[in-house]
Amino acid sequence: QVQLQESGPGLVKPSQTLSLTCTVSDGSINTGTYYWSWIRQPAGRGLEWIGRIYNSGRTNYNPSLKSRVTISVDTSKNQFSLRLGSVTAADTAVYYCAREYYYVGLDPWGQGTLVTVSS
Amino acid sequence: EIVLTQSPGTLSLSPGERATLSCRASQSLSNSYLAWYQQKPGQAPRLLYAASRRATGIPDRISVSESGTDFTLTINRLEPEDFAVYYCQQYDSSSSIIFGQGTRLEIK
Repeated sequence: QVQLQESGPGLVKPSQTLSLTCTVSDGSINTGTYYWSWIRQPAGRGLEWIGRIYNSGRTNYNPSLKSRVTISVDTSKNQFSLRLGSVTAADTAVYYCAREYYYVGLDPWGQGTLVTVSS
Repeated sequence: EIVLTQSPGTLSLSPGERATLSCRASQSLSNSYLAWYQQKPGQAPRLLYAASRRATGIPDRISVSESGTDFTLTINRLEPEDFAVYYCQQYDSSSSIIFGQGTRLEIK
């Protein structure tokens, strides 16, 4: 069963860039059936989709974040990554990566990683 | 822009009872399926249903139904592990993923 694991700094300073990586194990990121998504959740709040990437590098982003987001993929490492620029305290959240069956749903999810934006 | 509205915000029930959770879409999207997720404290969301199909390992006392833009998740014979937050999710016309705000199912 495929597993996903987020990694990256837990603390980012305001105005800097948040960078996270999702490593996919027990399955290939190169499978043509799936997309790979990032989702975030501020403490005590709901879920917000950030964007997705296909193994070809094709991306889609949440319009509300599009100007600050870049998602990339490294198929040789079975990883995909998130960069979110010009962060503020409002970007403090648990960030999840997930496999997406396009137009169906997200499964499975990584365990999530907390990123705090603070000086 | 599609909006998913879940109700109630909080549902207080006892083990053994039936839970009925609602998700209403602001518009109909013919090519978009609705998905449901369960999230327990400190855990990632878990897919329960997608495209009207139960995800692997989900018991059959959990079911879904739909009527137009109204979607319902029903959990029969509530067990202690069912008490969690539930989210619905759909795609908008530009393929962005949209989540409802969630329903908290708590023990009465």
